[in-house]
Amino acid sequence: GENVGLHLPTLSVQEGDNSIINCAYSNSASDYFIWYKQESGKGPQFIIDIRSNMDKRQGQRVTVLLNKTVKHLSLQIAATQPGDSAVYFCAEKSGNEKLTFGTGTRLTIIP
Amino acid sequence: DGGITQSPKYLFRKEGQNVTLSCEQNLNHDAMYWYRQDPGQGLRLIYYSQIVNDFQKGDIAEGYSVSREKKESFPLTVTSAQKNPTAFYLCASSINPTGGYGYTFGSGTRLTVV
Repeated sequence: GENVGLHLPTLSVQEGDNSIINCAYSNSASDYFIWYKQESGKGPQFIIDIRSNMDKRQGQRVTVLLNKTVKHLSLQIAATQPGDSAVYFCAEKSGNEKLTFGTGTRLTIIP
Repeated sequence: DGGITQSPKYLFRKEGQNVTLSCEQNLNHDAMYWYRQDPGQGLRLIYYSQIVNDFQKGDIAEGYSVSREKKESFPLTVTSAQKNPTAFYLCASSINPTGGYGYTFGSGTRLTVV
């Protein structure tokens, strides 16, 4: 079946640098994508979403890029802070289907 | 404040016991979901409900049961038939199952078999 996956299971970034977390998806019919942040022992929190009619969306210190040609999604975090350390999940859905979640990438911010 | 509340935060189960995890939301969301998360793993769907008095099995429903008698509540029972229940359980809700919206998650229940 179709699935969502991540390129990198772990990522370490120096505090203050920018980080990029990548996600590959295989369902070409996916039309909605979300990034979640999950801190240890907590539930996932919504970060940012994007629909398939867009290729870029910006939030506060975060940017999501969507490349439908290669079915790739990325989350950019600017000027990383210690509080950004967490596991980041991408998720996608197609039409009326449920969200499908990726495995996650652990982001560690080095002081 | 609207939100989704899971209780208890930690739960210990003896072998052969059934336990029930609570999930309540005051977001007026139609759809609710239960996920299981194992260490270092992603989210696996156990059960979901799109409307009151209706629910469907997810990918790993064996050994679990649910009910949806009220819109606000979607309790999950982990039965003795679930052979490896130790995990982190997450409940989520969404406005409706067909809209292009994300899910709101609870803070989770960590279940441990002792």
